[in-house]
Amino acid sequence: KAGVTQTPRYLIKTRGQQVTLSCSPISGHRSVSWYQQTPGQGLQFLFEYFSETQRNKGNFPGRFSGRQFSNSRSEMNVSTLELGDSALYLCASSFNGDTQYFGPGTRLTVL
Amino acid sequence: TQLLEQSPQFLSIQEGENLTVYCNSSSVFSSLQWYRQEPGEGPVLLVTVVTGGEVKKLKRLTFQFGDARKDSSLHITAAQPGDTGLYLCAGRGSYNQGGKLIFGQGTELSVKP
Repeated sequence: KAGVTQTPRYLIKTRGQQVTLSCSPISGHRSVSWYQQTPGQGLQFLFEYFSETQRNKGNFPGRFSGRQFSNSRSEMNVSTLELGDSALYLCASSFNGDTQYFGPGTRLTVL
Repeated sequence: TQLLEQSPQFLSIQEGENLTVYCNSSSVFSSLQWYRQEPGEGPVLLVTVVTGGEVKKLKRLTFQFGDARKDSSLHITAAQPGDTGLYLCAGRGSYNQGGKLIFGQGTELSVKP
C-alpha cells in the first residue's frame, strides 16, 4: 500500500499571501488529521476530517481551514500568512481515527 | 487542558550506552503512543500502550505505561547511531477534549559512534 503523500514538499510564501496544502491518505483510510510542527511549540493538532466532515478542531485561528473530498483526500488552507506560520505541516491518515500514519510533511516558509 | 511533558529535551550519548526518555502528565490518557521522527520525514509509530502497567518490547526498545496511565517511559539498551532521531510521545485525550492526540515536545536523541 502506498503511504500518505503530501504536496508540495516545500513552499515559500510572503506575508499576507494564502496557501493550500494537499494530502492523499492511505487507500481505505477515512480519517485525515493535520498538525503543525515548530521547534518552539512541537507538534500541535489543527483539525481532523472524517468522511468529509470536520470531527475535531485544535486551537488555531480561523485563518486555518481545511476540507476533505469524497475520495478522502484533504486540503488545508492558510489565509493572510504571518511569519509565525512558518512550520512543517504534517498530515496523518487513519482508518477510524486511532492509529495514525504520517506523511513526510510540507515545509512552509513565510518571508 | 491535557499536557504531556517529555524529558530530557536533548540527549547526546555514545554508541553502546543505555538511555531512558520520560513522558509525564497530570492527566489520565486512554492510550499512549511513541513515535520516532527523522529529519525531513513525518513521525513513525513505534508502539501503542493501552493498559496501566503495560510493558512492551521492540528489540532494544522497552516501553512502559504507568499504572495510573498518566506517564510513560522509553528505555533504549545499547544505543546505536541508527537510533538517532526525535522521539515523541502522544496521548489520546479525554472525551471532553475531543479525544485528540496530544503530543509531548519531543526528545532529540543523538547517538555518536
